[in-house]
Amino acid sequence: SQKIEQNSEALNIQEGKTATLTCNYTNYSPAYLQWYRQDPGRGPVFLLLIRENEKEKRKERLKVTFDTTLKQSLFHITASQPADSATYLCALTNYGQNFVFGPGTRLSVLP
Amino acid sequence: DAGVIQSPRHEVTEMGQEVTLRCKPISGHNSLFWYRQTMMRGLELLIYFNNNVPIDDSGMPEDRFSAKMPNASFSTLKIQPSEPRDSAVYFCASSLAWDKNTEAFFGQGTRLTVV
Repeated sequence: SQKIEQNSEALNIQEGKTATLTCNYTNYSPAYLQWYRQDPGRGPVFLLLIRENEKEKRKERLKVTFDTTLKQSLFHITASQPADSATYLCALTNYGQNFVFGPGTRLSVLP
Repeated sequence: DAGVIQSPRHEVTEMGQEVTLRCKPISGHNSLFWYRQTMMRGLELLIYFNNNVPIDDSGMPEDRFSAKMPNASFSTLKIQPSEPRDSAVYFCASSLAWDKNTEAFFGQGTRLTVV
């Protein structure tokens, strides 16, 4: 069955450092991989999407990589700020098929 | 657009009662998803619709759960009878064109507590 793992349940880093979150998957061939942010008491909010034929995507301080050979995506937040503290979820999608989320990583950026 | 609207925001009910959760997707979106989120199991896809038609309901946990989408602007998730283990946050999300893998927009969720 499809399985998605995110590197750790929680990650603490110092303000100004780069946060790196990992998403690994098995038994799935996604066409797209998406990253979402979820704050307490709220629904997930879309951040970035990367296609299977793309290696890297950037948006402001965010960078996502996608390695379909390793079945892994890395999500980077550079110059992290306390406001970046949240849970980050990766999601795998394929054309018209199940939209599956990973368990999430809770990021805390310490001032 | 106001985004995906879910109601109620909170629901407390007694075991055995029927519960109905409601969702209004973003206008013009063709796909709608129902998710359940718990600490133990994370975000689980229950069912999704495309153009008001249920595509995959394999995530629906039991026959006690049912979902409908009578038109493009409204969907319901019903639990009957409810049990304490159904306590969770239920999210509705919509997407512009699911077969083109556009992103999903989530509602604020309904926190369900079954006592």
